[in-house]
Amino acid sequence: GAVVSQHPSRVICKSGTSVKIECRSLDFQATTMFWYRQFPKQSLMLMATSNEGSKATYEQGVEKDKFLINHASLTLSTLTVTSAHPEDSSFYICSARVELGTNYGYTFGSGTRLTVV
Amino acid sequence: AQKVTQAQTEISVVEKEDVTLDCVYETRDTTYYLFWYKQPPSGELVFLIRRNSFDEQNEISGRYSWNFQKSTSSFNFTITASQVVDSAVYFCALRGYSSASKIIFGSGTRLSIRP
Repeated sequence: GAVVSQHPSRVICKSGTSVKIECRSLDFQATTMFWYRQFPKQSLMLMATSNEGSKATYEQGVEKDKFLINHASLTLSTLTVTSAHPEDSSFYICSARVELGTNYGYTFGSGTRLTVV
Repeated sequence: AQKVTQAQTEISVVEKEDVTLDCVYETRDTTYYLFWYKQPPSGELVFLIRRNSFDEQNEISGRYSWNFQKSTSSFNFTITASQVVDSAVYFCALRGYSSASKIIFGSGTRLSIRP
């Protein structure tokens, strides 16, 4: 089945530094990937939709300069949290749309727990 | 606008009890998809089921069953003879039929199964 690999699973960084999270589709091509953020005991909130070869579409209220998304190939999308601050500490999950003939499915990465100290 | 409501924030039952997780949705789309995902403590999202809006047949998979009622915009999930391993957060989600549609998640229900 379609698998999405997300790395790192856990990262601790100092305030002011940048962190890059990778999301790879292992056995399929993902033209569209999604990035979600999940605060403790809360639901997944869509941050942005990433399309291969074009600029990401950000949801309202998400700072595009803060959360840089790059989808340069059909198998890799990256999320870079720039100048991270403690309030950016959260669980980030990527998802890829999987072509299923004339239909679509979604598969999720295992998530990245970011702690900014 | 699309919305998914999971009114039950937390549920705790004793092992072997049956438990139903409620999900109510709102959408203007005539065709859409509904999902249930399981999120264990490790964090990854585990896909459980996808249901097309034009298929109201209920589904059973082992101890899991889903009741889709289009008339009441509900897509409830029942676990029969619950087990401790069922403890997790469960999310109900909705997506429109268009390829540009996004998945909208409910707020989740934290299910605890006590031995």
